Amino acid sequence: DVKVTQSSRYLVKRTGEKVFLECVQDMDHENMFWYRQDPGLGLRLIYFSYDVKMKEKGDIPEGYSVSREKKERFSLILESASTNQTSMYLCASSLDGINYGYTFGSGTRLTVV
Amino acid sequence: QQQVKQSPQSLIVQKGGISIINCAYENTAFDYFPWYQQFPGKGPALLIAIRPDVSEKKEGRFTISFNKSAKQFSLHIMDSQPGDSATYFCAASRGSSNTGKLIFGQGTTLQVKP
Repeated sequence: DVKVTQSSRYLVKRTGEKVFLECVQDMDHENMFWYRQDPGLGLRLIYFSYDVKMKEKGDIPEGYSVSREKKERFSLILESASTNQTSMYLCASSLDGINYGYTFGSGTRLTVV
Repeated sequence: QQQVKQSPQSLIVQKGGISIINCAYENTAFDYFPWYQQFPGKGPALLIAIRPDVSEKKEGRFTISFNKSAKQFSLHIMDSQPGDSATYFCAASRGSSNTGKLIFGQGTTLQVKP
């Protein structure tokens, strides 16, 4: 089974800090995604990447950036954390989202104080 | 903008009953409609998916019904069990896109009472 591993289960950061959320997948998937999950809003796409060094903005990219230097690793960066970025962050990967669906990590619960 | 609208936000069903969750989409270019199931502390996992060339797909107790003209699709859980208690997300994407980028609904929290 494909595994998507998110480095931290819980994080508490201060306003203004630069925050790195790490995600690693072990099945050579081309596509990787970062979503945030908020009650009543579902999963909203922040950024995605369909190849190493390639990235595209999702629906809510403001305040975030990403890095994908290696195929298996996709990092989400909060340039200057704010309290409205307190959320559950989910990383996913897919070989081909149409035929194989997404495999999600267990999520990182980020609290910005 | 919310391109996939899901209802209800929460649902309580008695064991053995039928759970029904509905989704509506706006973009007629969408041609892949999966449902994901999420248990507490876990990431969502693919449950079942449908393409618009069929009106219904069944896998065990889970059935997707699809109405292309109404741009709606729904998940039916027959003989609901307490182990089905979870959050369910519908989603949609365009098959022509090689990234398979999914747009998710708002989620439905299902509680099945024993």
